[in-house]
Amino acid sequence: KNEVEQSPQNLTAQEGEFITINCSYSVGISALHWLQQHPGGGIVSLFMLSSGKKKHGRLIATINIQEKHSSLHITASHPRDSAVYICAVPHLGGGADGLTFGKGTHLIIQP
Amino acid sequence: DAGVTQSPTHLIKTRGQHVTLRCSPISGHKSVSWYQQVLGQGPQFIFQYYEKEERGRGNFPDRFSARQFPNYSSELNVNALLLGDSALYLCASSPGTGNQPQHFGDGTRLSIL
Repeated sequence: KNEVEQSPQNLTAQEGEFITINCSYSVGISALHWLQQHPGGGIVSLFMLSSGKKKHGRLIATINIQEKHSSLHITASHPRDSAVYICAVPHLGGGADGLTFGKGTHLIIQP
Repeated sequence: DAGVTQSPTHLIKTRGQHVTLRCSPISGHKSVSWYQQVLGQGPQFIFQYYEKEERGRGNFPDRFSARQFPNYSSELNVNALLLGDSALYLCASSPGTGNQPQHFGDGTRLSIL
């Protein structure tokens, strides 16, 4: 089973700050997912990446396959970015569809 | 287009009972995965089905079972409910196999008394 570690577990920042959330995993993978979960449970897929960097609006995700590490960055953070951000990898490390999730980073952006 | 729909949204059961949770994937999606999320934790993988066949299973007891129907909808069944089964149960669908973005439903919140 792939083990996923996220840091920090909790993060409180002021509006406008640059945010970084880190994710490490134990078994080599073909792709990594970043997801966002709002209070009440709904989960939204933000990125799926297998190499390099992806950008969507103010969100940037990077991955280093050799080091088994990924980061999610938020530029010009806003209170509406407050949510739980979760990193996930294939459950068996190989390409199976089921995901193993990290425990999540609870982000609060204060106005 | 409708997203992934799950029913019911909330459910209260007592220990020892049985429960069936339902999931309808996005139209055209053939893969469905089930996850359990205990309060304060990340989701845990339970099952993945593709084309009505089980493709993957997490570390859950045999009290948990699932199936997928010809229309690709899916049911998760849990027997002999325990207090520890109280959780948010999430369903996710994707078009097929391999590395694809997963689309999540809003979940069924199950409370065991």
